[in-house]
Amino acid sequence: GDSVTQMEGPVTLSEEAFLTINCTYTATGYPSLFWYVQYPGEGLQLLLKATKADDKGSNKGFEATYRKETTSFHLEKGSVQVSDSAVYFCALNRNQGAQKLVFGQGTRLTINP
Amino acid sequence: SAVISQKPSRDICQRGTSLTIQCQVDSQVTMMFWYRQQPGQSLTLIATANQGSEATYESGFVIDKFPISRPNLTFSTLTVSNMSPEDSSIYLCSFLSTGELFFGEGSRLTVL
Repeated sequence: GDSVTQMEGPVTLSEEAFLTINCTYTATGYPSLFWYVQYPGEGLQLLLKATKADDKGSNKGFEATYRKETTSFHLEKGSVQVSDSAVYFCALNRNQGAQKLVFGQGTRLTINP
Repeated sequence: SAVISQKPSRDICQRGTSLTIQCQVDSQVTMMFWYRQQPGQSLTLIATANQGSEATYESGFVIDKFPISRPNLTFSTLTVSNMSPEDSSIYLCSFLSTGELFFGEGSRLTVL
């Protein structure tokens, strides 16, 4: 079945460091790919998405490129801030009309000043 | 965008009891979803709830354990029945709007 595998956490970085959180997926067809973020005490929020191969999603300085050849959707940010501390979830949707998301296990990110 | 709220935000429950979680959206939505996030694990879809019909449950989840109501287009409830410590999780409701899923803050249940 469909699955999403994320980089193991927790991840701790210093402010202004470069961030990569790896995400790979297994799915039939051509899924849409998402990154969700959960800030402390808040619900999940959509961070960015890509709906077809080679698309790049971007938001708040974060980027991720849909790579079908490597079945990956790695999240990157060039210079992280303390306010980026959160749990990040990679997810896919098989686009079969049911809008059911399959999530990765989440990666907790802590940014130290 | 619509606002979604859940309650309770957290609760501590005794084994064998049941708890109902409420989810309220401030606009009418067709599809609502209930997810579970067990400690240290990813989110798993429990069921899809459409107004006016029975909820559709995912593999591994049954109506007797997780009865769901969807009385109108802005409200849904999820009951966790006959709880055991294995039910300790965060339960999240979500809804679909303009192709995007929006989530509530979640209800953190601890079963003793």
